[in-house]
Amino acid sequence: DIVMTQSPDSLAVSLGERATINCKSSQSVLYSSTNYNYLAWYQQKPGQPPKLLIYWASTRESGVPDRFSGSGSGTDFTLTISSLQAEDVAVYYCQQYYSTVTFGGGTKVEIK
Amino acid sequence: EVQVVESGGGLVKPGGSLRLSCAASGFTFGGYSMNWVRQAPGKGLEWVSFISSSGNYIYYADSVKGRFTVSRDNAKNSLSLQMNSLRAEDTAVYYCARGQHCSGDSCLLDYWGQGTLVTVSS
Repeated sequence: DIVMTQSPDSLAVSLGERATINCKSSQSVLYSSTNYNYLAWYQQKPGQPPKLLIYWASTRESGVPDRFSGSGSGTDFTLTISSLQAEDVAVYYCQQYYSTVTFGGGTKVEIK
Repeated sequence: EVQVVESGGGLVKPGGSLRLSCAASGFTFGGYSMNWVRQAPGKGLEWVSFISSSGNYIYYADSVKGRFTVSRDNAKNSLSLQMNSLRAEDTAVYYCARGQHCSGDSCLLDYWGQGTLVTVSS
C-alpha cells in the first residue's frame, strides 16, 4: 500500500496568516495516461465527518473558499490556507486514490 | 441534496456481530460506487471496504477481510456492512462515503455521512 506522510502533525497560525501543510506519498500518485495526480485533501472539524476540499491535487471542490489551494505532483503535495480564518480550525487529511485508498495521519490546525 | 445516513452502531462484545446500514438520497445511488471508512477514537482515517455501483466488484482492507461483508440494494438506495468476529480494535466511527473517479478499488470520496459509532468491549 502507498504510505502517506503528513507534516507537521500540528501547527498554530495567527488569524489572517498563511498555513501550509505537506503530504508525501511513498510512490508516485501521478497517472501517466491521464496526467492527473490522484490526491485529495479533506477537512474534518470536531464531531463532524471529513469534508472534501481539493481533488486531482489542485482542483477546489465546489463551494470551497478560494483561500484553500492545493499544489504538487508525483510524490510531494501541499495544502495552503492563504489567510487563516477562525472557521478553518480543523484536522486536515491528504488521501491518495491512485491505488487502494490510504490517508495521511492528519495535521491539526489551530489559532495562535 | 446528496445525503448518506448511517445507522446500526452500538456496543457489542468481542467476537460478536453487528450490521451497519447506510441510507442514500439526493443522487442516483445505483450509479455510484460506495465505500466504508472508519476512524478509531482520536485517530486518523482508515478505508475499510469498496463496492462497485452494480455490486459486482467488492474489496476489503486486510484488517477486516474474512470478517466483514459489504452489500448494497440499489432498489432501496441502501448500503450495508455486516461485521462478524468483532475485535476491540474494530472500535471506531464508521462512515459511509460516496465514491467518484474510481479506479479499481480506489475512489475520491466526495460525500460522507455523519458516521455511526461501533464499540467492541466486554
